[in-house]
Amino acid sequence: GAGVSQSPRYKVAKRGQDVALRCDPISGHVSLFWYQQALGQGPEFLTYFQNEAQLDKSGLPSDRFFAERPEGSVSTLKIQRTQQEDSAVYLCASSDRYTQYFGPGTRLTVL
Amino acid sequence: AQTVTQSQPEMSVQEAETVTLSCTYDTSENNYYLFWYKQPPSRQMILVIRQEAYKQQNATENRFSVNFQKAAKSFSLKISDSQLGDTAMYFCAFMKLVIGTDKLIFGTGTRLQVFP
Repeated sequence: GAGVSQSPRYKVAKRGQDVALRCDPISGHVSLFWYQQALGQGPEFLTYFQNEAQLDKSGLPSDRFFAERPEGSVSTLKIQRTQQEDSAVYLCASSDRYTQYFGPGTRLTVL
Repeated sequence: AQTVTQSQPEMSVQEAETVTLSCTYDTSENNYYLFWYKQPPSRQMILVIRQEAYKQQNATENRFSVNFQKAAKSFSLKISDSQLGDTAMYFCAFMKLVIGTDKLIFGTGTRLQVFP
């Protein structure tokens, strides 16, 4: 079956621009996670949804980061007024309860 | 707070040989899951193996097996008969066992190179 998909795969933004990153989870998966992976590091948790409810957003680094999942399926991570330190790979994962399955990620480069 | 430590930034192994990647973690939780994920250069994170902390038996998946030492908070991954396709970053991860699911806490990774 289809896995987790993310789009775009690559995004280049000028500092100060807003960006939106999309995640399509595995069909039927209730839980959805966003992680940020800096170069050469392990992924770090950003936020978690169960259906459309955002249950944990403790990892969002600033109020410029916003995530939504309005219908409990597709999720969007939005970053406003991007800064250079936002450059990273953004990974989405959906879960069948105890195992998370990851998408290919979106590499964001802020110039 | 939970932490995961991978003390080997890089490892190398010859094809067909065996290699062991180390992972230690710190937690006050008694019930949790531990994972090894593989991230090839293409970047897609792939689950290698999962271990439930309440199970004493070490998990195995074909050529991959773990040595889970709960008291020592150690969770190493053994790859037998290494193949060129095993070349990747390997991440150890911890997850609390809660109703539903929870976030993963990752180590910094070990870059494994398998050479012919």
